[in-house]
Amino acid sequence: DAVMTQSPLSLPATLGQSASISCRSSQSLVYNDGKTYLSWFQQRPGQSPRRLIYKVSNRDSGVPDRFSGSGSGTDFTLKISRVEAEDVGVYYCAQGTHWPLTFGQGTRLEIK
Amino acid sequence: QVQLQESGPGLVKPSETLSLTCTVSGGSISVYYWSWIRQPPGKGLEWIGYIYYTGSTHYNPSLESRVTMSVDTSKNQLSLNLTSVTAADTAVYYCARGTWFGEFDYWGQGTLFTVSS
Repeated sequence: DAVMTQSPLSLPATLGQSASISCRSSQSLVYNDGKTYLSWFQQRPGQSPRRLIYKVSNRDSGVPDRFSGSGSGTDFTLKISRVEAEDVGVYYCAQGTHWPLTFGQGTRLEIK
Repeated sequence: QVQLQESGPGLVKPSETLSLTCTVSGGSISVYYWSWIRQPPGKGLEWIGYIYYTGSTHYNPSLESRVTMSVDTSKNQLSLNLTSVTAADTAVYYCARGTWFGEFDYWGQGTLFTVSS
């Protein structure tokens, strides 16, 4: 299995400041077609997960441009610039290059 | 707007079978891969497997021996059966729409399934 390791697991963030979450895979996530199937999801308290980013850096419709994804190969980052109160929740990375599909452990973002 | 709604019994005894249904509205079940994903209370997400609208399935090897998924395109419904359940299967179960590579873009609200005698 491709093991996805996120850090930090807990992220105290300051309103208006930026915050970053790292996601590392135990295997390269570059597929045979040259694309990288790495997604990011946000799960607000009491809600279902919501996709923010797909294929490393493609932001979903309706997702604020404060959210950005980057990385390649085995190392990926989700950056939230100008953190807002509505960003509180747990963030997961997930890979779809290798079976079985796997998620990171999650990073809990809270406001300081 | 695509909506997914899970439904099921909520409580099952150990060794029995979990049966859940996901009803898709606002869009066709065709073309996409439909996953089941679970989340034990207070823990992270685990992909159970997915089914294509044609009925082709792919399961997580960790659960493969106990999982069966099916699709009814006439009703726009998906089904999940998980046999021989134990307390470790207690979780919120989600259905989600995606691609061969996951990329789950629509999720149901989830349904809590508890295993208890």
